[in-house]
Amino acid sequence: EAEVAQSPRYKITEKSQAVAFWCDPISGHATLYWYRQILGQGPELLVQFQDESVVDDSQLPKDRFSAERLKGVDSTLKIQPAELGDSAMYLCASSSGRLREQYFGPGTRLTVT
Amino acid sequence: AQKITQTQPGMFVQEKEAVTLDCTYDTSDQSYGLFWYKQPSSGEMIFLIYQGSYDEQNATEGRYSLNFQKARKSANLVISASQLGDSAMYFCAMREGGGADGLTFGKGTHLIIQP
Repeated sequence: EAEVAQSPRYKITEKSQAVAFWCDPISGHATLYWYRQILGQGPELLVQFQDESVVDDSQLPKDRFSAERLKGVDSTLKIQPAELGDSAMYLCASSSGRLREQYFGPGTRLTVT
Repeated sequence: AQKITQTQPGMFVQEKEAVTLDCTYDTSDQSYGLFWYKQPSSGEMIFLIYQGSYDEQNATEGRYSLNFQKARKSANLVISASQLGDSAMYFCAMREGGGADGLTFGKGTHLIIQP
């Protein structure tokens, strides 16, 4: 069964360091999403891609966060510099199109010390 | 105002009983979708069930059904014959519009099934 892949699964980094997360969506899924889930809350959308284009990044803190999906397949989310408040689970999801469910990867659990 | 409200932070249910998890939503769109996801302690989000705003019948997927009451803006998840493996966080989510927009999630309900 096709799955969304994410790496690393866990990441510990010090404040002010740079950190990057990788996501490989289900093959053929044109829409890719990055969510952040703070402990005890539901996920919140950070950025949405349609192929290689950003569709929605209104909730992405652009002073420190960046996201790219250069060839319209896999994607990278970067934080530079990391802050203590960035500690969270970062979830990637993909969808085959409109009116379709989103399938989530296992997530990357980030701890900033 | 919150777009998705889940009023039950936690629930304890006896194994084999049916359980209803509450979800109310707020949108002015005519076209929208409602989703339920399960998140075990391992962290992955597992898709359970989907209801479109124009769907006339309540969605069902195995032991899961969605009690959709459009006028009340309610989309409760019903799990029949609960099992120990159903213990997890459950999130209600909404996608507004008819496209492929990102989901807005509620705060979740922590369901614990007791033997």
